Amino acid sequence: DTAVSQTPKYLVTQMGNDKSIKCEQNLGHDTMYWYKQDSKKFLKIMFSYNNKELIINETVPNRFSPKSPDKAHLNLHINSLELGDSAVYFCASSQLPGHTNYGYTFGSGTRLTVV
Amino acid sequence: AQSVTQLGSHVSVSEGALVLLRCNYSSSVPPYLFWYVQYPNQGLQLLLKYTSAATLVKGINGFEAEFKKSETSFHLTKPSAHMSDAAEYFCAVSDKNTGFQKLVFGTGTRLLVSP
Repeated sequence: DTAVSQTPKYLVTQMGNDKSIKCEQNLGHDTMYWYKQDSKKFLKIMFSYNNKELIINETVPNRFSPKSPDKAHLNLHINSLELGDSAVYFCASSQLPGHTNYGYTFGSGTRLTVV
Repeated sequence: AQSVTQLGSHVSVSEGALVLLRCNYSSSVPPYLFWYVQYPNQGLQLLLKYTSAATLVKGINGFEAEFKKSETSFHLTKPSAHMSDAAEYFCAVSDKNTGFQKLVFGTGTRLLVSP
């Protein structure tokens, strides 16, 4: 029944490694997002995809590459991990504005720790 | 660009007291507004949203918020705090005018509830 599911929930890795986070939504939403929450709890958008097309890329380093194989999935691959990448990454989905159920649904987050 | 300001990074109340968390938005036109709650080590849960229907919006867990265009505010209230309300609360805004949306968050307010 989970609406937006992310895996893994926790990820501990060494600097320089490459890792991926997966996200799936079963709400039939058209748009999916990646948000980053830093150590001070500040939430900032990283990417947005609408029906597999990249819409928003908020000046995120090239080491971060999102991929959307279909509109229900949005994955995040991170190359050459750095200490500063340690954060909680949230996936979210939404309908377009004007839809009766317009709103954003978030996954439970992936806590990434780079050591 | 739209933004939200949450006054007070921490708010402390006694159990049974009124909860008031402040949020002011900056937008050229009345936007969509949201309040989310985040319990420790969990994801973001939608409390309520304003999408240009009634200005007084009722949400889950006894919370409500009133949209006041003249004050550009969307403050969150609850008549009587419960210990289980202790969490981080985020106000967020999205712009009605753009075709594709992104949710912009405030810096969050931590609600502390004492017995």
